[in-house]
Amino acid sequence: DAGVTQSPTHLIKTRGQQVTLRCSPKSGHDTVSWYQQALGQGPQFIFQYYEEEERQRGNFPDRFSGHQFPNYSSELNVNALLLGDSALYLCASSLWNEQYFGPGTRLTVT
Amino acid sequence: AQSVTQLGSHVSVSEGALVLLRCNYSSSVPPYLFWYVQYPNQGLQLLLKYTSAATLVKGINGFEAEFKKSETSFHLTKPSAHMSDAAEYFCAVSGSFGNEKLTFGTGTRLTIIP
Repeated sequence: DAGVTQSPTHLIKTRGQQVTLRCSPKSGHDTVSWYQQALGQGPQFIFQYYEEEERQRGNFPDRFSGHQFPNYSSELNVNALLLGDSALYLCASSLWNEQYFGPGTRLTVT
Repeated sequence: AQSVTQLGSHVSVSEGALVLLRCNYSSSVPPYLFWYVQYPNQGLQLLLKYTSAATLVKGINGFEAEFKKSETSFHLTKPSAHMSDAAEYFCAVSGSFGNEKLTFGTGTRLTIIP
């Protein structure tokens, strides 16, 4: 059984560009959450998707948006990238109260 | 609102010694509490969780934690440290209604001295 997978592993973008990160949840999981982990910090909650709708949202600007597909996979989109968006982006899938994390996507904005 | 405070950003222990990583929480609702471990350049792995059942929770790799409501604490312990325990450890809190967001602490880096 494959766990949570994320792509790409690493990404380098320029300020002002847009980026899309992808996540495939663990088999049987219907909920996907996204977190941003800046260097030396704990993960910060961005938003959560369930049944293709955003169910919860953290304190992130509208430049951060997402989508969940019928197969429960998810995308995180970030527009108008800023240097401060450089971080490890973690996806977690869950069925109830236990979140399983993927390996993350390392985004560097130059 | 919920928050977690991890006391000590860096902890060093000798191999074979007791590991104690401290976590205090604040929550306006009955909390669920979690400990995750993160190895370099990897995602987070769940060590253990408290979900309002037994207050002493046993996890993987010999770790355990005790929920103490009176002290609002959920400290992580392991009787005997192993070199492979060197990693970053995060305490997290969520509400207890299921699939709620996790609020993480700032992490504790554990170093094992040979």
